[in-house]
Amino acid sequence: DAGVIQSPRHEVTEMGQEVTLRCKPISGHDYLFWYRQTMMRGLELLIYFNNNVPIDDSGMPEDRFSAKMPNASFSTLKIQPSEPRDSAVYFCASNSDGGRRSPLHFGNGTRLTVT
Amino acid sequence: DAKTTQPNSMESNEEEPVHLPCNHSTISGTDYIHWYRQLPSQGPEYVIHGLTSNVNNRMASLAIAEDRKSSTLILHRATLRDAAVYYCILRPGNEKLTFGTGTRLTIIP
Repeated sequence: DAGVIQSPRHEVTEMGQEVTLRCKPISGHDYLFWYRQTMMRGLELLIYFNNNVPIDDSGMPEDRFSAKMPNASFSTLKIQPSEPRDSAVYFCASNSDGGRRSPLHFGNGTRLTVT
Repeated sequence: DAKTTQPNSMESNEEEPVHLPCNHSTISGTDYIHWYRQLPSQGPEYVIHGLTSNVNNRMASLAIAEDRKSSTLILHRATLRDAAVYYCILRPGNEKLTFGTGTRLTIIP
């Protein structure tokens, strides 16, 4: 299996622009998680899905952020409009049952820079 | 979520064993103890997990105290590739995995 695939690896954009980050989970995994990592705040859970349905979006910072999972093999995280404080590494992860014993598999992340 | 406490940083010599401690005094009876690590410029990587008994896998060993209020991740023979941030996480009954600040492990050649 290729693992969790994220694209792009790097994204540089100007403040005010729309940014879309993409994630392909491991086939057969029905949980998908979006995390954000910064030096100041560490790794933060933004939102997670089960069977393509958002379960908990309490970590989404504000209305400028939205996430969708139109099917089992694809998810997007969109920021509109982007701001410099959104600069971070965004990780996607998936696992097979979301339970206490099932490890999460992470992608290599998208490094977002908003100027 | 129950909280874990780890040292901010540790150093170890190459080819020697490394013991990474984690305190979790508020652990509940159903919390699993998970360890992940994050190598530079990569996403977190699962290392090992356990509930009550000590666990071994090809990457590491996990020693869990009898009262479950602490645990230790053991790397039996550290290599330079083991330099990473190691996270000790309690996994409650829901699906969330909440990361703390972890321990930055430096391996000295």
